Amino acid sequence: DAGVTQSPTHLIKTRGQQVTLRCSPKSGHDTVSWYQQALGQGPQFIFQYYEEEERQRGNFPDRFSGHQFPNYSSELNVNALLLGDSALYLCASSLLGEYSNQPQHFGDGTRLSIL
Amino acid sequence: SQQGEEDPQALSIQEGENATMNCSYKTSINNLQWYRQNSGRGLVHLILIRSNEREKHSGRLRVTLDTSKKSSSLLITASRAADTASYFCAPAANAGGTSYGKLTFGQGTILTVHP
Repeated sequence: DAGVTQSPTHLIKTRGQQVTLRCSPKSGHDTVSWYQQALGQGPQFIFQYYEEEERQRGNFPDRFSGHQFPNYSSELNVNALLLGDSALYLCASSLLGEYSNQPQHFGDGTRLSIL
Repeated sequence: SQQGEEDPQALSIQEGENATMNCSYKTSINNLQWYRQNSGRGLVHLILIRSNEREKHSGRLRVTLDTSKKSSSLLITASRAADTASYFCAPAANAGGTSYGKLTFGQGTILTVHP
């Protein structure tokens, strides 16, 4: 049973460029959340997708956008990259069930470095 | 805010000792979850305690929740070197008027267990 997989594992970009990160949720999960984790900090919620729609959004600018596909996989896009976007980007999946706030299963993340 | 704040920021103990980490939060919650993160990896869900529960056990883990004080604690008994990791609490609550939930993480407690 495959867990959450993310690609690529590492990425180096320069300021002003655009990047797309990918995530495949755990089998059977239908909800995907994205987090940004700066070095030494806790993960910060970016947004959450369910049924191909952005359901919730954290305090991140419009440069951060996403998409969820019919097979529940998801992409995170960041435009006009800034040095401060350097971080570990984590994808987490869960199952929307009777009870909200289900435990989330995390991938190992994509380490994004901006030069 | 819903964000959990972990205390202490760092904890260093010897193998076989118990480790206690605390979490405080400010708003009403549906449940509170604890996660572990090994260096450079994604987060791993450890345990979920619902707002109507006071204590929960899972193997060497014991979690307590005091909703009147808006606090929780995670106890790891008979610690092992493999328990060395960062530990995060995540209070979980519904977005106002919806069944949607999200997790908000603090900075975590860095636990080091010396062999």
